[in-house]
Amino acid sequence: NAGVTQTPKFQVLKTGQSMTLQCAQDMNHEYMSWYRQDPGMGLRLIHYSVGAGITDQGEVPNGYNVSRSTTEDFPLRLLSAAPSQTSVYFCASSLAGGTYEQYFGPGTRLTVT
Amino acid sequence: GESVGLHLPTLSVQEGDNSIINCAYSNSASDYFIWYKQESGKGPQFIIDIRSNMDKRQGQRVTVLLNKTVKHLSLQIAATQPGDSAVYFCAESNQGGKLIFGQGTELSVKP
Repeated sequence: NAGVTQTPKFQVLKTGQSMTLQCAQDMNHEYMSWYRQDPGMGLRLIHYSVGAGITDQGEVPNGYNVSRSTTEDFPLRLLSAAPSQTSVYFCASSLAGGTYEQYFGPGTRLTVT
Repeated sequence: GESVGLHLPTLSVQEGDNSIINCAYSNSASDYFIWYKQESGKGPQFIIDIRSNMDKRQGQRVTVLLNKTVKHLSLQIAATQPGDSAVYFCAESNQGGKLIFGQGTELSVKP
């Protein structure tokens, strides 16, 4: 199993550009989530999904969209990038939400200039 | 609101000593707690978890203690090794499914 994979590893965007961060898992996990991590801080939940076709907002959802058309994939879309979205983004998955161990991907480092 | 925080942002220990990393949480409804280890440039890695119906759980060289009375969580690492150097996060969750992370503590192990 590859676990949780994320692409790209690094990305530089100009303010106003849009892009999609890809996340995939091959563990047949129902629960997937996106976090951002800013320097010296913990991870903050952006959006999560409890299964295909179901998504919900986390702590910091503004400026991001998600969809879950398959169990395996959970892309994160930045609609109009802003410098405040410069961060490291992590995708995670688990068997279910809440009380199950989450497996994290290697992260995408995004810089918005 | 909900919050999970750590008492110390950095911890430096000598190789072979025991390490204790502390965490405070404020949501008494949280019923599941996790410790993650994050090495530089990598995603968080699960270390150990504990449910609210327990007060202690042991793994290999690690022990998590939960004190619900004072809403306190700690991670003990026995015989700390250079490979344990990383940032450690506590996180809490409830049946709602959201995982809330604390700020993190950087553990530095001196040889």
